Amino acid sequence: KNEVEQSPQNLTAQEGEFITINCSYSVGISALHWLQQHPGGGIVSLFMLSSGKKKHGRLIATINIQEKHSSLHITASHPRDSAVYICAVKTSGSRLTFGEGTQLTVNP
Amino acid sequence: KAGVTQTPRYLIKTRGQQVTLSCSPISGHRSVSWYQQTPGQGLQFLFEYFSETQRNKGNFPGRFSGRQFSNSRSEMNVSTLELGDSALYLCASSLAASAGDKQYFGPGTRLTVT
Repeated sequence: KNEVEQSPQNLTAQEGEFITINCSYSVGISALHWLQQHPGGGIVSLFMLSSGKKKHGRLIATINIQEKHSSLHITASHPRDSAVYICAVKTSGSRLTFGEGTQLTVNP
Repeated sequence: KAGVTQTPRYLIKTRGQQVTLSCSPISGHRSVSWYQQTPGQGLQFLFEYFSETQRNKGNFPGRFSGRQFSNSRSEMNVSTLELGDSALYLCASSLAASAGDKQYFGPGTRLTVT
């Protein structure tokens, strides 16, 4: 079993829909990243969380340390949100362990 | 501030050759981590450097090595290349290597081994 599990693996939505991507982990962590990767490879860190909830524009990330679970929500989704979303946990130092990613496609 | 830069962006090598990839962190960042991304294995941690010292190493064979210079720039080297080494190699930098430090990723070097 992977240390970081994401669901769903693939997600197709219509523009305007509310989207949720889930991440569960089985190891002790110091922080959790939500990353966005567009075709071509570049990775952007959307959020880094160690507790609670963070919001940036239409994106919201939450984490429940006791349940070892985090969610990424996208409100009013847009085709430009189409990308791979990756959950990554920080275990020691700067070392990240990654989930397999969620391929999101938002259709107009 | 300039972001994390990686050179070269694309590289084609032949089996058995060696390759060196370079990563320049954001100015002031002292920690550099390297990751390999392949379709089959996803993203995997290679190693982490802080102040010229390797702090962490992932589960990769000894053919994969790295170093960090006094200006925090880092290089990784892969010797005796195998077809399976074809991947996107990403580096990320952070201020230090503590839990509260966010990582910033470079654009990656896409290595193709033929």
